[in-house]
Amino acid sequence: AQSVTQLDSQVPVFEEAPVELRCNYSSSVSVYLFWYVQYPNQGLQLLLKYLSGSTLVKGINGFEAEFNKSQTSFHLRKPSVHISDTAEYFCAVRENTGGFKTIFGAGTRLFVKA
Amino acid sequence: GAVVSQHPSWVICKSGTSVKIECRSLDFQATTMFWYRQFPKQSLMLMATSNEGSKATYEQGVEKDKFLINHASLTLSTLTVTSAHPEDSSFYICSAREQGNTEAFFGQGTRLTVV
Repeated sequence: AQSVTQLDSQVPVFEEAPVELRCNYSSSVSVYLFWYVQYPNQGLQLLLKYLSGSTLVKGINGFEAEFNKSQTSFHLRKPSVHISDTAEYFCAVRENTGGFKTIFGAGTRLFVKA
Repeated sequence: GAVVSQHPSWVICKSGTSVKIECRSLDFQATTMFWYRQFPKQSLMLMATSNEGSKATYEQGVEKDKFLINHASLTLSTLTVTSAHPEDSSFYICSAREQGNTEAFFGQGTRLTVV
């Protein structure tokens, strides 16, 4: 069975500073990896996903993530954050075996301060 | 992108009553739909997976008689919370995928409050 660990429950950062939200996973098979953003009282919006190929994945809103198989990590980064990036961010993993059961991490609250 | 719509977006009901939440795929045929529950400041927990025309597969610990899931068409799945209690108050989110697509799309969620 797979699992996802988001190492930081909250990340406060000043506007225009860079940010990294950490995600580690475990699985006995190859996986697909996702990052989602959730604004208050809303559903999830896909930021980016890694399926195969290049390990550096670029997503929406200036976010990117790098898949590191040896470290089983998929950290999310943005070089310069905005106030509007304040939200909850979820890392998720799905086994690449044909099933679509997706496991989510506990979430990281990104709080961007002026 | 594909659109998944949930209705209602919020609902308040009395203890002991039943509540139905709808999840619709608006521009694609959803062969599989997923129902998640999210407690405040927590992650999403998968409750069940439903394939069109089949019985839903529930995750361990989820009462199938309490959370009735129906996926009778390729564009609609419903979650009925039966005999709701205050501890059922939560944010319920569905997602849907089309056969052959690697991505599942999420609805906007339904906040259920049982009083």
